[in-house]
Amino acid sequence: GNSVTQMEGPVTLSEEAFLTINCTYTATGYPSLFWYVQYPGEGLQLLLKATKADDKGSNKGFEATYRKETTSFHLEKGSVQVSDSAVYFCALSEGNYQLIWGAGTKLIIKP
Amino acid sequence: NAGVTQTPKFQVLKTGQSMTLQCAQDMNHNSMYWYRQDPGMGLRLIYYSASEGTTDKGEVPNGYNVSRLNKREFSLRLESAAPSQTSVYFCASSESRLVGGDTQYFGPGTRLTVL
Repeated sequence: GNSVTQMEGPVTLSEEAFLTINCTYTATGYPSLFWYVQYPGEGLQLLLKATKADDKGSNKGFEATYRKETTSFHLEKGSVQVSDSAVYFCALSEGNYQLIWGAGTKLIIKP
Repeated sequence: NAGVTQTPKFQVLKTGQSMTLQCAQDMNHNSMYWYRQDPGMGLRLIYYSASEGTTDKGEVPNGYNVSRLNKREFSLRLESAAPSQTSVYFCASSESRLVGGDTQYFGPGTRLTVL
Protein backbone atom coordinates (compact mmCIF):
# COMPACT_ATOMS: atom_id res chain seq x y z
CA GLY A 1 0.00 0.00 0.00
CA ASN A 2 0.89 3.67 -0.10
CA SER A 3 3.19 5.01 2.57
CA VAL A 4 5.25 8.03 3.53
CA THR A 5 8.58 7.93 5.37
CA GLN A 6 10.12 11.00 6.98
CA MET A 7 13.45 11.49 8.69
CA GLU A 8 13.21 11.12 12.44
CA GLY A 9 13.53 14.12 14.66
CA PRO A 10 14.10 16.21 16.43
CA VAL A 11 16.21 18.19 14.03
CA THR A 12 18.08 20.97 15.86
CA LEU A 13 19.67 23.82 13.93
CA SER A 14 21.03 27.26 14.60
CA GLU A 15 19.28 30.32 13.20
CA GLU A 16 20.22 31.04 9.55
CA ALA A 17 21.28 27.44 8.91
CA PHE A 18 20.20 25.50 5.83
CA LEU A 19 17.35 23.06 6.38
CA THR A 20 16.56 19.77 4.70
CA ILE A 21 13.86 17.39 5.94
CA ASN A 22 13.76 14.20 3.92
CA CYS A 23 10.53 12.60 2.74
CA THR A 24 10.18 9.53 0.55
CA TYR A 25 7.02 7.78 -0.52
CA THR A 26 5.66 4.61 -2.06
CA ALA A 27 2.62 4.79 -4.30
CA THR A 28 1.17 2.76 -7.13
CA GLY A 29 0.22 5.71 -9.34
CA TYR A 30 0.75 9.45 -9.49
CA PRO A 31 0.05 10.99 -6.10
CA SER A 32 -0.16 14.59 -5.04
CA LEU A 33 2.39 15.46 -2.36
CA PHE A 34 2.07 17.85 0.56
CA TRP A 35 3.99 19.41 3.41
CA TYR A 36 1.92 20.49 6.41
CA VAL A 37 3.28 22.37 9.44
CA GLN A 38 2.04 22.28 13.03
CA TYR A 39 3.13 25.13 15.28
CA PRO A 40 3.07 24.52 19.04
CA GLY A 41 -0.45 24.24 20.37
CA GLU A 42 -2.09 24.64 16.97
CA GLY A 43 -3.66 22.51 14.28
CA LEU A 44 -1.95 21.61 11.04
CA GLN A 45 -1.80 23.98 8.12
CA LEU A 46 -0.75 23.46 4.54
CA LEU A 47 2.78 24.69 3.85
CA LEU A 48 3.13 23.70 0.20
CA LYS A 49 2.09 21.06 -2.28
CA ALA A 50 2.91 19.62 -5.71
CA THR A 51 0.52 17.67 -7.88
CA LYS A 52 2.74 16.22 -10.62
CA ALA A 53 6.30 15.11 -11.23
CA ASP A 54 8.96 17.88 -11.37
CA ASP A 55 6.59 20.44 -9.87
CA LYS A 56 8.11 22.64 -7.18
CA GLY A 57 5.95 23.82 -4.31
CA SER A 58 7.06 26.89 -2.39
CA ASN A 59 5.83 29.06 0.46
CA LYS A 60 7.36 31.23 3.22
CA GLY A 61 10.88 30.50 1.90
CA PHE A 62 10.35 26.72 1.98
CA GLU A 63 10.60 24.63 -1.19
CA ALA A 64 10.07 21.02 -2.18
CA THR A 65 10.37 19.36 -5.58
CA TYR A 66 8.34 16.33 -6.61
CA ARG A 67 10.94 13.77 -7.79
CA LYS A 68 9.29 10.73 -9.28
CA GLU A 69 12.55 9.01 -10.17
CA THR A 70 13.64 8.98 -6.52
CA THR A 71 10.08 8.97 -5.06
CA SER A 72 11.03 11.91 -2.87
CA PHE A 73 9.65 15.29 -1.80
CA HIS A 74 12.33 16.77 0.46
CA LEU A 75 11.61 20.05 2.25
CA GLU A 76 14.31 22.75 2.11
CA LYS A 77 14.84 26.27 3.37
CA GLY A 78 17.93 28.34 2.84
CA SER A 79 17.99 30.23 6.16
CA VAL A 80 15.79 29.14 9.04
CA GLN A 81 14.44 31.37 11.80
CA VAL A 82 13.42 30.65 15.37
CA SER A 83 9.81 31.10 14.26
CA ASP A 84 10.17 28.04 11.98
CA SER A 85 10.30 25.79 15.02
CA ALA A 86 7.40 23.38 14.55
CA VAL A 87 6.51 19.83 13.53
CA TYR A 88 6.54 19.19 9.78
CA PHE A 89 4.44 16.47 8.17
CA CYS A 90 4.84 15.03 4.69
CA ALA A 91 1.72 13.49 3.14
CA LEU A 92 0.44 12.05 -0.11
CA SER A 93 -2.94 11.78 -1.76
CA GLU A 94 -3.58 9.37 -4.61
CA GLY A 95 -6.78 9.54 -6.56
CA ASN A 96 -9.10 10.28 -3.65
CA TYR A 97 -9.59 12.39 -0.56
CA GLN A 98 -7.45 10.33 1.76
CA LEU A 99 -4.15 11.69 2.94
CA ILE A 100 -1.41 9.23 3.89
CA TRP A 101 0.78 10.85 6.55
CA GLY A 102 4.37 10.58 7.60
CA ALA A 103 5.12 10.43 11.34
CA GLY A 104 6.24 14.07 11.47
CA THR A 105 9.62 15.70 12.08
CA LYS A 106 10.09 18.11 14.94
CA LEU A 107 12.31 21.08 14.05
CA ILE A 108 14.01 23.13 16.77
CA ILE A 109 15.79 26.34 15.82
CA LYS A 110 18.14 27.86 18.38
CA PRO A 111 18.96 31.59 18.34
CA ASN B 1 -13.93 33.96 9.14
CA ALA B 2 -13.14 31.43 11.87
CA GLY B 3 -12.23 28.48 9.59
CA VAL B 4 -12.56 25.19 11.48
CA THR B 5 -13.50 25.35 15.16
CA GLN B 6 -13.49 22.53 17.70
CA THR B 7 -14.87 22.19 21.21
CA PRO B 8 -13.75 21.44 23.82
CA LYS B 9 -10.00 22.15 23.75
CA PHE B 10 -9.26 19.83 26.65
CA GLN B 11 -11.19 16.99 28.27
CA VAL B 12 -10.51 14.40 30.93
CA LEU B 13 -12.77 11.35 31.09
CA LYS B 14 -12.95 8.25 33.21
CA THR B 15 -13.02 4.85 31.55
CA GLY B 16 -16.54 4.06 30.37
CA GLN B 17 -17.75 7.65 30.19
CA SER B 18 -19.12 9.05 26.95
CA MET B 19 -18.63 12.38 25.25
CA THR B 20 -19.09 14.19 21.96
CA LEU B 21 -16.45 16.31 20.26
CA GLN B 22 -17.90 19.13 18.19
CA CYS B 23 -16.54 20.53 14.94
CA ALA B 24 -17.83 23.29 12.69
CA GLN B 25 -16.50 24.96 9.55
CA ASP B 26 -17.61 28.20 7.94
CA MET B 27 -15.93 27.77 4.55
CA ASN B 28 -18.87 26.00 2.85
CA HIS B 29 -16.72 22.90 2.40
CA ASN B 30 -18.24 19.64 1.28
CA SER B 31 -15.92 17.17 2.98
CA MET B 32 -15.06 16.85 6.66
CA TYR B 33 -12.72 14.53 8.56
CA TRP B 34 -11.83 13.36 12.04
CA TYR B 35 -8.23 12.36 12.83
CA ARG B 36 -6.37 11.30 15.89
CA GLN B 37 -2.74 12.19 16.48
CA ASP B 38 -0.53 9.99 18.62
CA PRO B 39 3.18 10.50 19.27
CA GLY B 40 5.40 9.12 16.51
CA MET B 41 2.44 7.96 14.40
CA GLY B 42 1.41 10.93 12.35
CA LEU B 43 -2.33 11.37 11.84
CA ARG B 44 -4.78 8.52 11.45
CA LEU B 45 -8.20 8.98 9.90
CA ILE B 46 -11.11 7.91 12.09
CA TYR B 47 -14.13 8.84 9.95
CA TYR B 48 -14.86 11.14 7.09
CA SER B 49 -17.90 12.68 5.43
CA ALA B 50 -17.77 13.42 1.72
CA SER B 51 -20.99 15.42 1.79
CA GLU B 52 -23.91 16.28 4.02
CA GLY B 53 -25.76 13.11 4.97
CA THR B 54 -22.93 10.67 4.27
CA THR B 55 -20.24 9.24 6.53
CA ASP B 56 -17.64 6.51 6.06
CA LYS B 57 -15.04 4.72 8.12
CA GLY B 58 -11.40 5.58 7.95
CA GLU B 59 -8.36 3.70 9.20
CA VAL B 60 -9.26 3.49 12.91
CA PRO B 61 -13.07 3.75 13.41
CA ASN B 62 -13.54 1.25 16.26
CA GLY B 63 -14.95 2.83 19.42
CA TYR B 64 -16.20 5.96 17.64
CA ASN B 65 -19.34 7.19 15.93
CA VAL B 66 -19.92 10.32 13.90
CA SER B 67 -22.79 12.54 12.78
CA ARG B 68 -22.79 14.99 9.90
CA LEU B 69 -25.47 17.22 11.33
CA ASN B 70 -25.51 19.62 8.38
CA LYS B 71 -22.98 20.97 5.91
CA ARG B 72 -21.19 22.97 8.65
CA GLU B 73 -21.04 20.51 11.53
CA PHE B 74 -19.43 17.10 12.02
CA SER B 75 -19.36 15.56 15.51
CA LEU B 76 -17.38 12.63 16.91
CA ARG B 77 -18.80 10.53 19.74
CA LEU B 78 -17.03 8.19 22.12
CA GLU B 79 -19.72 5.94 23.58
CA SER B 80 -17.56 4.24 26.22
CA ALA B 81 -14.15 5.82 26.53
CA ALA B 82 -11.04 3.66 26.97
CA PRO B 83 -7.48 4.67 27.92
CA SER B 84 -6.37 3.71 24.39
CA GLN B 85 -8.44 6.65 23.13
CA THR B 86 -6.20 9.13 24.93
CA SER B 87 -5.02 11.29 22.05
CA VAL B 88 -5.27 14.63 20.32
CA TYR B 89 -8.24 14.79 17.98
CA PHE B 90 -8.32 17.01 14.92
CA CYS B 91 -11.22 17.92 12.70
CA ALA B 92 -10.52 19.02 9.14
CA SER B 93 -12.46 20.08 6.07
CA SER B 94 -11.86 20.37 2.34
CA GLU B 95 -13.77 21.95 -0.49
CA SER B 96 -14.15 19.05 -2.86
CA ARG B 97 -15.77 15.67 -2.65
CA LEU B 98 -13.21 12.88 -2.84
CA VAL B 99 -10.77 14.82 -4.98
CA GLY B 100 -7.09 14.03 -4.80
CA GLY B 101 -4.77 16.95 -4.23
CA ASP B 102 -7.35 18.95 -2.34
CA THR B 103 -6.10 21.00 0.63
CA GLN B 104 -7.44 20.11 4.04
CA TYR B 105 -7.98 22.80 6.68
CA PHE B 106 -7.56 21.84 10.30
CA GLY B 107 -9.07 22.91 13.58
CA PRO B 108 -6.92 23.59 16.67
CA GLY B 109 -7.51 20.14 18.16
CA THR B 110 -9.00 18.57 21.30
CA ARG B 111 -6.63 17.00 23.81
CA LEU B 112 -8.45 14.06 25.40
CA THR B 113 -7.21 12.05 28.38
CA VAL B 114 -9.00 8.90 29.48
CA LEU B 115 -8.12 7.71 32.97
